Amino acid sequence: AQKVTQAQTEISVVEKEDVTLDCVYETRDTTYYLFWYKQPPSGELVFLIRRNSFDEQNEISGRYSWNFQKSTSSFNFTITASQVVDSAVYFCALSEAAGNTPLVFGKGTRLSVIA
Amino acid sequence: DTGVSQNPRHKITKRGQNVTFRCDPISEHNRLYWYRQTLGQGPEFLTYFQNEAQLEKSRLLSDRFSAERPKGSFSTLEIQRTEQGDSAMYLCASSSPTSGQETQYFGPGTRLLVL
Repeated sequence: AQKVTQAQTEISVVEKEDVTLDCVYETRDTTYYLFWYKQPPSGELVFLIRRNSFDEQNEISGRYSWNFQKSTSSFNFTITASQVVDSAVYFCALSEAAGNTPLVFGKGTRLSVIA
Repeated sequence: DTGVSQNPRHKITKRGQNVTFRCDPISEHNRLYWYRQTLGQGPEFLTYFQNEAQLEKSRLLSDRFSAERPKGSFSTLEIQRTEQGDSAMYLCASSSPTSGQETQYFGPGTRLLVL
């Protein structure tokens, strides 16, 4: 069975600090996709990134970066120089096969960035 | 390109009443998913469609729940004889794997409160 664990329930940082959100996953599939979504207070899930199991290259997008390590089954997300607008709940998710099957989500990490 | 829309955004009902939610996916997305999110948890998969065919239903989808996508465009989720435990955010997502859009994009959700 597939499972996603986000061990950090809540994180609080001061603006401009760097913060890393952890994600550990379990799957028996050799082909799978990993995702990160952001859920601001408005409630809508906003897609951030999709990564397939064959691509372990780290990715950077502006202040966001992702570190995928199959050896430790982890897909961690780092925000550099955090801003108040980054305050939200962040979800890591997993899907099997081609990525268009139902997502299995972690419980989320609530990030609070304090000015 | 308009995103996924859901109506209503909020619904308050009394226990025992029936409710129906609507989801309009991104146009030409042939896959449509329903998820449920309770407070402090990640979204949990309920069911999904490819065009008008319902491909999978989760064990969470009790007999009181029914979903349809009659013309392969919008979808409805009906809950009969609502219970207080049905109070949650109901999220809809769509994707289009046949056109390379494997990522699921979410709507704003319908927040249900059963009194």
